[in-house]
Parts: sequence; structure tokens; C-alpha cells
Amino acid sequence: GESVGLHLPTLSVQEGDNSIINCAYSNSASDYFIWYKQESGKGPQFIIDIRSNMDKRQGQRVTVLLNKTVKHLSLQIAATQPGDSAVYFCAEKTSYDKVIFGPGTSLSVIP
Amino acid sequence: DAGVIQSPRHEVTEMGQEVTLRCKPISGHNSLFWYRQTMMRGLELLIYFNNNVPIDDSGMPEDRFSAKMPNASFSTLKIQPSEPRDSAVYFCASSTLLAGEQFFGPGTRLTVL
Repeated sequence: GESVGLHLPTLSVQEGDNSIINCAYSNSASDYFIWYKQESGKGPQFIIDIRSNMDKRQGQRVTVLLNKTVKHLSLQIAATQPGDSAVYFCAEKTSYDKVIFGPGTSLSVIP
Repeated sequence: DAGVIQSPRHEVTEMGQEVTLRCKPISGHNSLFWYRQTMMRGLELLIYFNNNVPIDDSGMPEDRFSAKMPNASFSTLKIQPSEPRDSAVYFCASSTLLAGEQFFGPGTRLTVL
């Protein structure tokens, strides 16, 4: 039968706790990775990026970790706030300026 | 900076009609991308341009879809004829040529009845 739609992984976190969102990427030749946040009714918004020559990068309240051995990317959000509730996409850059988005993870912050 | 501008924000049309979506990228950005987002398929890249030239249109679903970028400040995505399965949110994004960060517009929500 027909698929009823993408089943987005969902993460529920208590306000103030840390969140970890995971992503597996597909292409071992990808050299640039990006995390986007999409709030309801809006377009995706850049959060943080990392190049393949790094394994960790920190921003304000966010940290991205890259494990090229297992093609895994994670986004850590410290002290999660209600405003962090959104769908988070990881994206990999596989060729010149072409970016492929993952299916996304829905983060729900419990006040 | 106004960011990426898309119009219309909402479009409701009947099956068989022509639909034209419009995008104005951020001034100075050299790359422009059209995406489609649905619950079934998530966020899909349809086509992208570098310096107004289409580089990869492998994501365009079929011949009913076409995109143009006549100049650096304007692009259109046209669906003719439209079908109910084209109902989705269509995003336009732009970036500088050598940067990975894409700036997305607010999207056009298309409903084909």
C-alpha cells in the first residue's frame, strides 16, 4: 500500500536539559555538513556547519560533532529552551554547491 | 537586507492550470535553489542555478516543471499543467558561490484541487 508519509524521528526533551540530535549521512566523499532548523510555517534556517577536516565545532549553545569513520553527525543543544522546538535537518554537500538534506528530526521541548 | 523573497505565499488553483512561483534571491548571491517539501517525501532539491545558469535539474519531477533565471535577481518555477500531487510547499534558497550556507525564503504553499 501507499506510504502514509515520512515518519519523522521525534525527540522530547525537558526544558533546561541538553538535546542530542543524530544524523547518518550517505556519501563518504561529502566534505561539508550543515545543520538547519525549521520552525512551523517557515523555511529552514542555518544553525551551524562543519568541514570534513574537523571533528567538532561549537557555536552559541550548539555543538556539532562529526565522525567520518561511521559517517555520523550529531547536533548538541545545551540548556534546551521552548524556542528550540522545531524540525532539525542535517545536510551534506556532495558536489560543488549541491546540498542534500536528510529527513529531519522533530524536537519537542517540554516546559 | 530583506532576505529571499518568494511570491505568492499561498496559491490555490485547479488541476490543469498553469502555476508560476517567483523568487528574488539575496543581492550578491550567485547560487539559487528550488526545493519542494511534502510530508511524503520531505525536502527535495528540484533544480539549482549558478550565475543564472541551470547546473543540475535532475530533481525536477517531470516535463510539467520548468525553471528559469533570466537575471541575477529573479527566478521562476512553472508547473504546467498542475496536478493535485504537486501540492506542497515550494522553497527558494540562495547562497554565495563558494559558501555552503543557504538562505531560505518563506516558501509558497501550493494547493492544487
